[in-house]
Order: sequence, then C-alpha cells, then structure tokens
Amino acid sequence: DVKVTQSSRYLVKRTGEKVFLECVQDMDHENMFWYRQDPGLGLRLIYFSYDVKMKEKGDIPEGYSVSREKKERFSLILESASTNQTSMYLCASRHPTGRGPQHFGDGTRLSIL
Amino acid sequence: AQSVTQPDIHITVSEGASLELRCNYSYGATPYLFWYVQSPGQGLQLLLKYFSGDTLVQGIKGFEAEFKRSQSSFNLRKPSVHWSDAAEYFCAVGARAGGTSYGKLTFGQGTILTVHP
Repeated sequence: DVKVTQSSRYLVKRTGEKVFLECVQDMDHENMFWYRQDPGLGLRLIYFSYDVKMKEKGDIPEGYSVSREKKERFSLILESASTNQTSMYLCASRHPTGRGPQHFGDGTRLSIL
Repeated sequence: AQSVTQPDIHITVSEGASLELRCNYSYGATPYLFWYVQSPGQGLQLLLKYFSGDTLVQGIKGFEAEFKRSQSSFNLRKPSVHWSDAAEYFCAVGARAGGTSYGKLTFGQGTILTVHP
C-alpha cells in the first residue's frame, strides 16, 4: 500500500511566521500535490510537482511556495502566514501512468493566530 | 475547464437503508472519475474509479458507481448503509494524463453522510 506521511497532524503558528508543511511518500511516485480543504469548498489545488525540482501552480497558489529537492518529499511553505491560511492541508502522490489515482496523507490542520 | 458538482451538502439515512450520492461533472472529453471518502480527522481514501469500459464500477466497502455519459453523472450507491459509513464523500474528475495535466483532479464540494441507528 502507498504510504503518504504528513509530518504534523496539528500545527499552531502566529501571523507573519514562515511555516513549513512536510510530506513524504514511499512509492517512488513522480507526481505530488498540495491541497487545502475548507468546509463547503471541497479540496482546492495549491501546487503540484510532476518530478524532482519541477513545480506548477494550482488554482490557489497565492501566499504559498513549494520545494521538491528529492522525489519522496514535497514541502509546502507559507512565506508569511496569515489568518486566512488557517485550514486543513492535504498532500497526495500518484504514479504518472495514465490511470493512477491520487493517494492522500492524513492531513495537517493548521491554525494561524 | 473541468468542474464537479455534488448537489447534496448533507444527507441523513437510517442504518440498513439504501444510499445514493449524486455527482455531476463538466469535462470536454471522456474523463477519469473518482469517489473518495474522508472520515473525521483523516485523509481521503479511494472508494472506486472509472477510466473506461463497463460503466458500472465496483469499489471497496460495498460501494458502486455508475457512469452515465448522457447525464454527465457518476452517482455513488450502496444497497445497505452501515453506521461506519458516516463520513464525507468527495467526487472528483481528472484529466487524462498527457500534456501538462499530470493527473490533476478537480473535486466537488463534498457530501456529508449521517447514519441514524
């Protein structure tokens, strides 16, 4: 089974801090994704990476950046956290073949005070 | 652009009753379609997927879904609901990989299922 691990389940940070959310997968997947999940809005794609050192903006990239230095690890960075970034963040990975589904981690619930 | 609509925000059923969760999508070609389930405080678990072929697909936990191209729908069904099925359910549409799609998914807003004993 694919294992996608997010480093923190719960995180509390202050406005203006630089925040790192880490995600590691153990299946050698090329594609990795970061979403945020808010009630009534479903999941919205922030950034994705189709290979090491490659990244593409998703639908809501403003205020975020990402890093993919190794295939197994995909980091989401909040450069200067704001209260409107309080949310649940979900990481996913997939094999790049045409039919591969995305596999999700358990999520990080981030609160910005 | 692709989009997904789940018309029902919240559904309540009694244990043992049948269930149907609705999903409508908008996509310019034949899509990949998925249903995921999320238990409280957890990530998303894949229930089933449709790529091609038989339009009735079977998934885990006794769920099935039917792809109807003419109605742009991919509704999820279960003949008899168990209390453990209480969760939030997400329908998603994916572009067929190729070009720059990289298997990106667009999710619906989710449907919360409550099961009464």
